[in-house]
Amino acid sequence: DGGITQSPKYLFRKEGQNVTLSCEQNLNHDAMYWYRQDPGQGLRLIYYSQIVNDFQKGDIAEGYSVSREKKESFPLTVTSAQKNPTAFYLCASSAGPYGGYTFGSGTRLTVV
Amino acid sequence: QKEVEQNSGPLSVPEGAIASLNCTYSDRGSQSFFWYRQYSGKSPELIMSIYSNGDKEDGRFTAQLNKASQYVSLLIRDSQPSDSATYLCAVNAGAGKSTFGDGTTLTVKP
Repeated sequence: DGGITQSPKYLFRKEGQNVTLSCEQNLNHDAMYWYRQDPGQGLRLIYYSQIVNDFQKGDIAEGYSVSREKKESFPLTVTSAQKNPTAFYLCASSAGPYGGYTFGSGTRLTVV
Repeated sequence: QKEVEQNSGPLSVPEGAIASLNCTYSDRGSQSFFWYRQYSGKSPELIMSIYSNGDKEDGRFTAQLNKASQYVSLLIRDSQPSDSATYLCAVNAGAGKSTFGDGTTLTVKP
């Protein structure tokens, strides 16, 4: 079955450490997205990519980085510059620029 | 003003009733509109998409769009306890990205 796989499901980060969240899709979607969700809040856009080797900053890109070397993969790195990284991270993809999203199951990141 | 605003909730309805969820948006250039359902601790799931003015029905769900009033709604008929979740409204104003509201939490009481 087609879908989006995010790993790991839970991740713990020490102060000053960079961590990378994985996102892989086999839906043949061109567009991929990273959102962050804090408790009781909606989703905020971190980065998005409409095509391989191209990506744009979202509303809260500071302290994060991404790459899009393959159509299927869109990893997110949370750097030590992100001062409040504890959140639920969601990766999504869509078939076109005006379509709805398919989400992965998410990664819960906690700073320890 | 937020770009996408939803009733803060929570909303509670008895089983079998109609649940009505509302959303307003600020960008008049918005092209596509979505409702997602998110169960506690899970990721969102797309349940309705609507692109033109009027109503769109899918089973017990009806989405309504009024671009002149910048208003989107979701009606859930014959509400079931399994409908208890947070419902997220999302709006795509172009550039291939959606903006989400904060969500409305619905509880359906047996």
